Amino acid sequence: GAVVSQHPSWVICKSGTSVKIECRSLDFQATTMFWYRQFPKQSLMLMATSNEGSKATYEQGVEKDKFLINHASLTLSTLTVTSAHPEDSSFYICSARDQGLNTEAFFGQGTRLTVV
Amino acid sequence: RKEVEQDPGPFNVPEGATVAFNCTYSNSASQSFFWYRQDCRKEPKLLMSVYSSGNEDGRFTAQLNRASQYISLLIRDSKLSDSATYLCVGLYSGGYQKVTFGTGTKLQVIP
Repeated sequence: GAVVSQHPSWVICKSGTSVKIECRSLDFQATTMFWYRQFPKQSLMLMATSNEGSKATYEQGVEKDKFLINHASLTLSTLTVTSAHPEDSSFYICSARDQGLNTEAFFGQGTRLTVV
Repeated sequence: RKEVEQDPGPFNVPEGATVAFNCTYSNSASQSFFWYRQDCRKEPKLLMSVYSSGNEDGRFTAQLNRASQYISLLIRDSKLSDSATYLCVGLYSGGYQKVTFGTGTKLQVIP
């Protein structure tokens, strides 16, 4: 089946630094990828929709200048958490769909970010 | 109102029991629905798609009612390994794509 690879799986960084998370579709092309954040014991919350070759669409309340998304190719989207703070510590997950309609979304393994 | 709503649970059921989850959605234009399973601290994994005619996969049965805008998941003969959070997902593919998750329903199967 389709595979989405996310890297790194975990990262610890100092407050004020930036962290880049990569999401790759390994055996299909994804014009659209989704970035989610999940705090402990809470549901996945959509942060933004990443569109290949154009600007990402951010959900209400998500700062686009803080969470930079780049979708430069049909197989790679990146999320950069800029000037990270402890409250940004969370589980970040990307997902992607094959370009065909009505196919399920495949998920990366997730990245556990801890900002100290 | 959230686009996809679920009862968060937890549902605590004995092994062997039958349990059902419902999920309602507000976007009538949502085209496809899925049930995902998420284990603690792991990414969600597809459990099954939901078809209008209803579909079954072993002990799992999914139903979609477009008139009432809800989907359901039935688990028969619950196993301990079924303990997880179950997420219903709506997919909209109109002029843009959007995947919307419910809050998830936590299931705990008890020996």
